[in-house]
Amino acid sequence: AQKVTQAQTEISVVEKEDVTLDCVYETRDTTYYLFWYKQPPSGELVFLIRRNSFDEQNEISGRYSWNFQKSTSSFNFTITASQVVDSAVYFCALLGSARQLTFGSGTQLTVLP
Amino acid sequence: ETGVTQTPRHLVMGMTNKKSLKCEQHLGHNAMYWYKQSAKKPLELMFVYSLEERVENNSVPSRFSPECPNSSHLFLHLHTLQPEDSALYLCASSQDITATDYNTEAFFGQGTRLTVV
Repeated sequence: AQKVTQAQTEISVVEKEDVTLDCVYETRDTTYYLFWYKQPPSGELVFLIRRNSFDEQNEISGRYSWNFQKSTSSFNFTITASQVVDSAVYFCALLGSARQLTFGSGTQLTVLP
Repeated sequence: ETGVTQTPRHLVMGMTNKKSLKCEQHLGHNAMYWYKQSAKKPLELMFVYSLEERVENNSVPSRFSPECPNSSHLFLHLHTLQPEDSALYLCASSQDITATDYNTEAFFGQGTRLTVV
């Protein structure tokens, strides 16, 4: 069985602060993929990143960075110098041999001006 | 704009009504999905279609009936729903779901906010 846990239900930060969203997963698969999606108030889920289980290199894309730690089954997401437009619900997801995306319950991020 | 369009964006229906949700993707993808997003719960996968064939059905009540007439369109027919079915229904598509290549990301529509009264 697969499981994704996002323990932080809601986070509030002030603009320009850095914020890290936690994601912990469980799977018995040796090959799997991890994702982060952003859901703005408009509703659609916007793909942010995909990472496969054999690639533990951290990735940086502009103000976004991801820390994949296989030893702790974590795939955390950091936003540097947060902006009001970053306010959204962020979902971590896992895709394994079951061929179904398993989502976490999401973290509501509010960035205050 | 993700290339996946859902209509309507909002729907209010009584428990005895019959309505349909529509999803259209313009990405040339072969797989389409229906997800249910209830408040404070993880997204729940409802149905998966690959090349217009249903490949997954996650114990969804029969009051939800999917239809995939072609690889670009997906419908969710609703009848005699319950108030607890009120949720955001999201459609998604991906390139494919072959057994050896499941590493493609899904693209989501904006969802239909359904309220059952």
